[in-house]
Amino acid sequence: DAGVIQSPRHEVTEMGQEVTLRCKPISGHDYLFWYRQTMMRGLELLIYFNNNVPIDDSGMPEDRFSAKMPNASFSTLKIQPSEPRDSAVYFCASSFRLADYEQYFGPGTRLTVT
Amino acid sequence: GNSVTQMEGPVTLSEEAFLTINCTYTATGYPSLFWYVQYPGEGLQLLLKATKADDKGSNKGFEATYRKETTSFHLEKGSVQVSDSAVYFCALSLSGGYNKLIFGAGTRLAVHP
Repeated sequence: DAGVIQSPRHEVTEMGQEVTLRCKPISGHDYLFWYRQTMMRGLELLIYFNNNVPIDDSGMPEDRFSAKMPNASFSTLKIQPSEPRDSAVYFCASSFRLADYEQYFGPGTRLTVT
Repeated sequence: GNSVTQMEGPVTLSEEAFLTINCTYTATGYPSLFWYVQYPGEGLQLLLKATKADDKGSNKGFEATYRKETTSFHLEKGSVQVSDSAVYFCALSLSGGYNKLIFGAGTRLAVHP
């Protein structure tokens, strides 16, 4: 398997623009997680899905952030409008319910908002 | 509540030195415990895990033992290499069947030749 795929790997955008991050989980995995990593706040769980249904979005910072999972093989994290404080590395991870919680992380998307 | 506390970094060692990174946890129930590693520019990857008390997880020369009495899961390696330079995250699972993990803040390890 190719592992968790994220795109783009790098995104530079101006404040106020819409940003969409994409994730393809490992085939057969039924959990998908979105994390954000910054030097100041470390690794934060934003939202996670089980069988395409959002289970817990309490980590989503504010209404500017939204996430969807229209099918088992695709998820998006959207920021609209973006702000400089959104600059971070965003990771997607997936796991299989019987795999004792092991999560497989993608390579991340480095977002810079100027 | 559920939480993980790791020793602050960075930890700087010379090659072949002994490594210990401390991790303690607070949890309800009986969590599984994990160490993840993040190499520069990459996502996290599972290093080792232990699912019940007194279990020892091991991989690539790293070891950690699940100590219920001290609520600890310290990471050790007898002889580190430059290639071990990375950020190490301790984590615990939450009960409830949703595969959610609680991560510590991470400890950066730098190994010099």
